[in-house]
Amino acid sequence: GAGVSQSPSNKVTEKGKDVELRCDPISGHTALYWYRQSLGQGLEFLIYFQGNSAPDKSGLPSDRFSAERTGGSVSTLTIQRTQQEDSAVYLCASSRLTSLRGNEQFFGPGTRLTVL
Amino acid sequence: GENVEQHPSTLSVQEGDSAVIKCTYSDSASNYFPWYKQELGKRPQLIIDIRSNVGEKKDQRIAVTLNKTAKHFSLHITETQPEDSAVYFCAASPRRALTFGSGTRLQVQP
Repeated sequence: GAGVSQSPSNKVTEKGKDVELRCDPISGHTALYWYRQSLGQGLEFLIYFQGNSAPDKSGLPSDRFSAERTGGSVSTLTIQRTQQEDSAVYLCASSRLTSLRGNEQFFGPGTRLTVL
Repeated sequence: GENVEQHPSTLSVQEGDSAVIKCTYSDSASNYFPWYKQELGKRPQLIIDIRSNVGEKKDQRIAVTLNKTAKHFSLHITETQPEDSAVYFCAASPRRALTFGSGTRLQVQP
């Protein structure tokens, strides 16, 4: 079956512009996560969705970052007034809902964002 | 919040040798510990995971051990092959989101 997909694969933007990154999770996965990976670094958690609600937004670095999920499926991460330090690969992951707190997360290919 | 430390940052071994990567975590509520492999320019792929009610898990050449008392878990790769070369990340989950270690770049020399 289809895995997690993300678009665009690459995005180059100018400082101060807004960008939207899209994630299509695996069908039937109710949990969706956004992470950020800077060059040569580990993955940094941004936000978690369960269905359309976001019970954990603790990783969003500033109020310039927001995300939404509609229909329990596609999610969009929006970065307003982009800064050079926002340059990174933005990864989306999805997982099934289970009774356990932790369960396997499947990652998308990421969107490489470059802010000039 | 959770904090995960991972060591070493780089590891070079000869083909056929074993490789061990170690992680520690801080939040005793963490109960799920996955390991991901990331090849250059690719997405992270889960290679093995362990839950807190288990002390060890093996899958062919890969094994993970967990010491809940010490808040310590390790990845063991035996009979390494050149295709094992990649960056490996450990993670811990006290809630749903994962907290990742900083990664270990493993290079297997043929």
